[in-house]
Amino acid sequence: NAGVTQTPKFQVLKTGQSMTLQCAQDMNHNSMYWYRQDPGMGLRLIYYSASEGTTDKGEVPNGYNVSRLNKREFSLRLESAAPSQTSVYFCALHGGRAQDTQYFGPGTRLTVL
Amino acid sequence: QKEVEQNSGPLSVPEGAIASLNCTYSDRVSQSFFWYRQYSGKSPELIMSIYSNGDKEDGRFTAQLNKASQYVSLLIRDSQPSDSATYLCAVRSSGSARQLTFGSGTQLTVLP
Repeated sequence: NAGVTQTPKFQVLKTGQSMTLQCAQDMNHNSMYWYRQDPGMGLRLIYYSASEGTTDKGEVPNGYNVSRLNKREFSLRLESAAPSQTSVYFCALHGGRAQDTQYFGPGTRLTVL
Repeated sequence: QKEVEQNSGPLSVPEGAIASLNCTYSDRVSQSFFWYRQYSGKSPELIMSIYSNGDKEDGRFTAQLNKASQYVSLLIRDSQPSDSATYLCAVRSSGSARQLTFGSGTQLTVLP
């Protein structure tokens, strides 16, 4: 996970609470992504950002908002958490032209009661 | 809806055997194909990428791609218990802003 950090590692919320998941990179790459991973469902893209100041919806954006205020950070916000948002959340970044792959952060395990 | 399908397993093989993992995809214009390994409780890590039809070998790993059949596979030779993990197939289509579509993963167990 060198170069991609996520906070917090674990979080428990009650239904209706809000929180922001933070992702930061020190690799100076443009494209960043937020995924959720549920048992038997693989990784599903929530939102992505091709560059600073731009964001686009992925496969499952409902209930989430994102912010890419600078190149280094990409945050994911749950305004009113629901039990269906219990999941493991991964931030990823694209390695650029030289390294055509995505690198994943360590993940945040979120439980919504 | 672009789909990537994998047999969820679990797949069990004895130590030293060849493990064969398969993946099919629905989007005919897909350009790039990746295999990620994910240990329990950890994040996915890239182990192979393949872009052209045929085989690509890297150590004990061989990726195979057949675009006509829309099929990509991963062979692990001389399987070791440390290979026990979930293997995720990922596909990127042209013009998709570097987005990847992931399969649900195949859980592999290598028995000592």
